[in-house]
Amino acid sequence: NAGVTQTPKFQVLKTGQSMTLQCAQDMNHNSMYWYRQDPGMGLRLIYYSASEGTTDKGEVPNGYNVSRLNKREFSLRLESAAPSQTSVYFCASSEDRGRDGYTFGSGTRLTVV
Amino acid sequence: EDKVVQSPLSLVVHEGDTVTLNCSYEVTNFRSLLWYKQEKKAPTFLFMLTSSGIEKKSGRLSSILDKKELFSILNITATQTGDSAIYLCAFRTQGGSEKLVFGKGTKLTVNP
Repeated sequence: NAGVTQTPKFQVLKTGQSMTLQCAQDMNHNSMYWYRQDPGMGLRLIYYSASEGTTDKGEVPNGYNVSRLNKREFSLRLESAAPSQTSVYFCASSEDRGRDGYTFGSGTRLTVV
Repeated sequence: EDKVVQSPLSLVVHEGDTVTLNCSYEVTNFRSLLWYKQEKKAPTFLFMLTSSGIEKKSGRLSSILDKKELFSILNITATQTGDSAIYLCAFRTQGGSEKLVFGKGTKLTVNP
């Protein structure tokens, strides 16, 4: 099925460990996004990429890095995980100036202990 | 600073009730306002509103935007238990790199 695929779905890390969340979309969208969602906080933008080769910081970028590997893939890396990064992470993609809303992946539930 | 404020933060109703969810915003480069429904996983798109006064409808759900007063409402009539979810409002910026800025959401619980 067409859409946004995130891996892994669940992950537990120890404080200080690193990991990369993967995201791929097959809709030929130019723009891709990483959000985190915490209880009572809605979705907050971490980083986004308007096109292959470009990335920009969002509202809460500290502690994260991203890579727009190609048009399909946009990864999020935690270099040294902290308990404050325990959250649900969503990747999304959109057409530029599209008529519809963003398409979201199913999310990654990350726990840092 | 751009922001989106949703109210109420939570709401409990009985099946058959009608509910109105509110979303107000302050943005510098407004392009459109979007509503999403989130159950257990990813948000799913409901509506996108760009023009004032034009109601969008989908079954029992409808939404309208007031660009002068900077708010939007989402109405759900004859609620069902399947409407229980978090409803998210977001605005889409324009100019340069577009992105969505979300409110904190309204958690709706519909009891049988």
